Amino acid sequence: GQNIDQPTEMTATEGAIVQINCTYQTSGFNGLFWYQQHAGEAPTFLSYNVLDGLEEKGRFSSFLSRSKGYSYLLLKELQMKDSASYLCAVRDLSGGSYIPTFGRGTSLIVHP
Amino acid sequence: GAGVSQSPSNKVTEKGKDVELRCDPISGHTALYWYRQSLGQGLEFLIYFQGNSAPDKSGLPSDRFSAERTGGSVSTLTIQRTQQEDSAVYLCASSSNGLAGVYEQYFGPGTRLTVT
Repeated sequence: GQNIDQPTEMTATEGAIVQINCTYQTSGFNGLFWYQQHAGEAPTFLSYNVLDGLEEKGRFSSFLSRSKGYSYLLLKELQMKDSASYLCAVRDLSGGSYIPTFGRGTSLIVHP
Repeated sequence: GAGVSQSPSNKVTEKGKDVELRCDPISGHTALYWYRQSLGQGLEFLIYFQGNSAPDKSGLPSDRFSAERTGGSVSTLTIQRTQQEDSAVYLCASSSNGLAGVYEQYFGPGTRLTVT
């Protein structure tokens, strides 16, 4: 299996930049996903990384280093609506399963 | 287009009763997943259906839990003899392809189950 570790909670100021880290341990890495989940709502897809490097999508970027078992989600120009939980999920094929495993999520609080 | 739908949205049941939770995936999606999420916890995998393959039931916490997927579309998660620890939000997700690649999961709104 894989261990996925994220900070439990982070706070940031509106307009600032925040980086949410995710570390994992796998023997058959095959992709990392980031999802956003607002309170009481379903998770929605943000990004996918399978190769090393940075993927940019508007105000959100996601970075992956496979050798370090590390990813981060970067949120720029923070808005109040970005207050949500951010879930890191990793797909590990070593057990023959294509099912992504989710971390516990990072609760981001954006304040004025 | 229509997303993933789940019913009921809320279910309150007495300990010991059976419950059925329904999921309607996005049309044409071959993969369907069930997760549950307790307050402040991450998503706990329960069961996975991919096309006509045998389901992956490795996440089911006990034999009180079972699921079916009829005709490769609608899925029902059944919990027998419910216990208070079964209280959680049950989330269903589907994806166009449950194999490798950037096939993200689309989640339904969930069913909030409360066992009293």
